[in-house]
Amino acid sequence: EAQVTQNPRYLITVTGKKLTVTCSQNMNHEYMSWYRQDPGLGLRQIYYSMNVEVTDKGDVPEGYKVSRKEKRNFPLILESPSPNQTSLYFCASSSGIAGYTDTQYFGPGTRLTVL
Amino acid sequence: DQQVKQNSPSLSVQEGRISILNCDYTNSMFDYFLWYKKYPAEGPTFLISISSIKDKNEDGRFTVFLNKSAKHLSLHIVPSQPGDSAVYFCAASPMYSGGGADGLTFGKGTHLIIQP
Repeated sequence: EAQVTQNPRYLITVTGKKLTVTCSQNMNHEYMSWYRQDPGLGLRQIYYSMNVEVTDKGDVPEGYKVSRKEKRNFPLILESPSPNQTSLYFCASSSGIAGYTDTQYFGPGTRLTVL
Repeated sequence: DQQVKQNSPSLSVQEGRISILNCDYTNSMFDYFLWYKKYPAEGPTFLISISSIKDKNEDGRFTVFLNKSAKHLSLHIVPSQPGDSAVYFCAASPMYSGGGADGLTFGKGTHLIIQP
């Protein structure tokens, strides 16, 4: 089954404690990205990756890091989480062939609470 | 500066009637538009898309209309069913990113409630 998976689905942590949210897709997609969803703000892009070892900032990258060492995985790293990073996070992937926009497939979401 | 706007945070429609969700955009570089549907505790799922070379795209009960001159698109659901109750996000992007950002710009969403 074609899917995007994220782990964990729910996480409660404390300020400053490094954490990683994993994302994996099995569709051989070139393009992957991370979004956060906040009430009244919709979905905002954090980081994206056009291919392995190619990453770039989205609209709200501050406080986040990503890596793309393998095509299927795109982890989101919070080195020192703060309460304003409490949010619902979605990973997404698309074929992204030759720079053309394609339908993005979303993971189920990770609800993060930073105390 | 909000480039994709969904001005109705919520919309209530009676079952069997037409639901019309609206979306406006400001960036003239956008030429590819998508609608996503989101249930609680799930990720957004793709519903329907339209490129700027068309003004209408239909898929079953769902039709998207694009008015390029007004920079406006709408999603029509006919007839509305209880399972259509969800948050609907409008999203936009240039069709060709040229190897740059392929990210979608999303609206804030409209919560559609279908009443029995």
